[in-house]
Amino acid sequence: DIQMTQSPSSLSASVGDRVTITCRASQTIITSLNWCQQRPGKAPRVLISGASKLQSGVPSRFSGSGSGTDFTLTISSLQPEDFATYYCQQSYSIPRTFGQGTKVEIK
Amino acid sequence: QVRLQESGPGLVKPSQTLSLMCTVSGGSVSFGHHYWNWIRQPAGKGLEWIGRMYTSGFTTYNPSLKTRVTISPDASKNQFSLELTSVTAADTAVYYCAREWDDSSGPYFDSWGQGTLVTVSS
Repeated sequence: DIQMTQSPSSLSASVGDRVTITCRASQTIITSLNWCQQRPGKAPRVLISGASKLQSGVPSRFSGSGSGTDFTLTISSLQPEDFATYYCQQSYSIPRTFGQGTKVEIK
Repeated sequence: QVRLQESGPGLVKPSQTLSLMCTVSGGSVSFGHHYWNWIRQPAGKGLEWIGRMYTSGFTTYNPSLKTRVTISPDASKNQFSLELTSVTAADTAVYYCAREWDDSSGPYFDSWGQGTLVTVSS
């Protein structure tokens, strides 16, 4: 199985801050990396696919980058609705695996 | 817009079989080139992929659960099901069904059900 490791596990930030979350795969996954957001009590929703493709309806303040084993999700200016948990997920091989999550909290 | 909805018992006794159904609307479980998945999340923890079914009915399972899992279609009702045998408290989780879509950027889970909590307890 490909292990996905996110950092940090949690962070506190203020509205307007720039936030960066990193994800590392235990082996190369090229760009087969997706990011999803999960608000409390809700199902996850995809934000970015293929490491950098912004999904329809997702605000442009979200961006993704990286390839191989190291990836980044950036929120350029944190908004109140962005306080949530973020997961990376590899779609390179079976079984599909997720990072442990990064909880973004209000400072 | 495809929609998915999980249904099934919220309480299962230890050693028994957990059975859930996912009803799909706005899409077909038996036509197209999609994978239909089950994913679970214990309270306060991360996401674990359980397995998937292709529109042909071909299935693939997480090796960690493979001996206990069956995913199967019901094309007449546009549903697919999850059966997990010999459950323990460790199987207590919110269970999601989700579609995996594949486009130029690669595969990703583009549609999710709202999730259903299953508690394993006597």
